[in-house]
Amino acid sequence: NAGVTQTPKFRILKIGQSMTLQCAQDMNHNYMYWYRQDPGMGLKLIYYSVGAGITDKGEVPNGYNVSRSTTEDFPLRLELAAPSQTSVYFCASSSQGVSTEAFFGQGTRLTVV
Amino acid sequence: QQQVKQSPQSLIVQKGGISIINCAYENTAFDYFPWYQQFPGKGPALLIAIRPDVSEKKEGRFTISFNKSAKQFSLHIMDSQPGDSATYFCAASATYNQGGKLIFGQGTELSVKP
Repeated sequence: NAGVTQTPKFRILKIGQSMTLQCAQDMNHNYMYWYRQDPGMGLKLIYYSVGAGITDKGEVPNGYNVSRSTTEDFPLRLELAAPSQTSVYFCASSSQGVSTEAFFGQGTRLTVV
Repeated sequence: QQQVKQSPQSLIVQKGGISIINCAYENTAFDYFPWYQQFPGKGPALLIAIRPDVSEKKEGRFTISFNKSAKQFSLHIMDSQPGDSATYFCAASATYNQGGKLIFGQGTELSVKP
């Protein structure tokens, strides 16, 4: 019962570097999401996808990119990392989107120095 | 209009007491209101959820109260236990809003003292 798997769990980046946060789910969910969590700010939606080949921006998409080539995978790309992107990133998935449970991964803690 | 405001930011309750967390929203199109529980180092997990056609939903020690006219909803944890110590997030989404995008509150860090 893997559910939603995120890698890596921790990462330190230097300013200007790039990286990809990986997210995979094995529940055959169509809907997938990327959130970032900052202290006292809740979770902010970065990007989401309603199916393979379809992605859309959330509340805070600047500085990020996503792709969805398969149902299972939804990687998040950070280009030119900035200190403002220091955060905990969560990937989630759900079967139908609205009014159904979203399952979250365990998160990736990213520090940009 | 997309905001969900949550209070308090932190809460300390004695074992056996009642924990109450409140949320308010602005967007009247929201029609799904879940609460998520998050333990340190873990991702959030769904605790309980309500739709606005009912005013209350209870699951064990956890109850959601919903006031549509006031655009407010709250989580009540009865007989609070140390194992309930976690961060709680309220959230909201709208059926018209494709993709099931959840708008989260700021979170409440609950500590239940033995």
